Amino acid sequence: DIQLTQSPSFLSASVGDRVTITCRASQGISSHAAWYQQKPGKAPKLLIFATSTLQSGVPSRFSGSGSGTEFTLTISSLQAEDFAIYFCQQLSPYPRKVAFGGGTKVEIK
Amino acid sequence: QVQLQESGPGLVKPSQTLSLTCSVSGGSISSDGHYWSWVRQRPGKGLEWIGYIYYSGSTYYNPSLKNRVTISVDTSENQFSLRLSSVTAADTAMYYCARVEQLGDTHAFDIWGQGTMVTVSS
Repeated sequence: DIQLTQSPSFLSASVGDRVTITCRASQGISSHAAWYQQKPGKAPKLLIFATSTLQSGVPSRFSGSGSGTEFTLTISSLQAEDFAIYFCQQLSPYPRKVAFGGGTKVEIK
Repeated sequence: QVQLQESGPGLVKPSQTLSLTCSVSGGSISSDGHYWSWVRQRPGKGLEWIGYIYYSGSTYYNPSLKNRVTISVDTSENQFSLRLSSVTAADTAMYYCARVEQLGDTHAFDIWGQGTMVTVSS
């Protein structure tokens, strides 16, 4: 059963900081990851799919990378509107199951 | 632009069945390359995939919920539904419907409904 562990679970940062969030899978059975942003009281929003492809309309300060069992989301210069919770997600194809990471809360320092 | 809207009771009694519907507007639920999914989020917790369905009726469920979950699709009404039986307080959560875009050997939840809060209580 695939498990996704995000680190850190919480981080405090300032506007302009470079932020990196890591997602580690318990098994390397998926070649890709997706990342979502969720603000309080709102539904999650897709930021990145297929590990590194930016969803339409998402600012270019967001980027994704990784392979195997480790994937990362980077925000190159944190903006005020980026303070939110971020989730990673993978698809395990056989048996088919979707897994989400536990989330990383990004707060203002 | 495709939009999703959940509907259903906000309060369900323990041991009863939770039933929700997701109405799809701005596009067809029968479009190739898309699955239609339910995801829930317990208060203050992370996201939990419940399952998804293709317009043809093929379903995939989270193994941890499989015995209690049924997802169905009504292409004539352009909507899909969730039934979760024998609910307990642990099923209290915000329930989201979402469109899943199939992308080769992976996929992404690209469009989400606003969510509907369901509380299980007597």
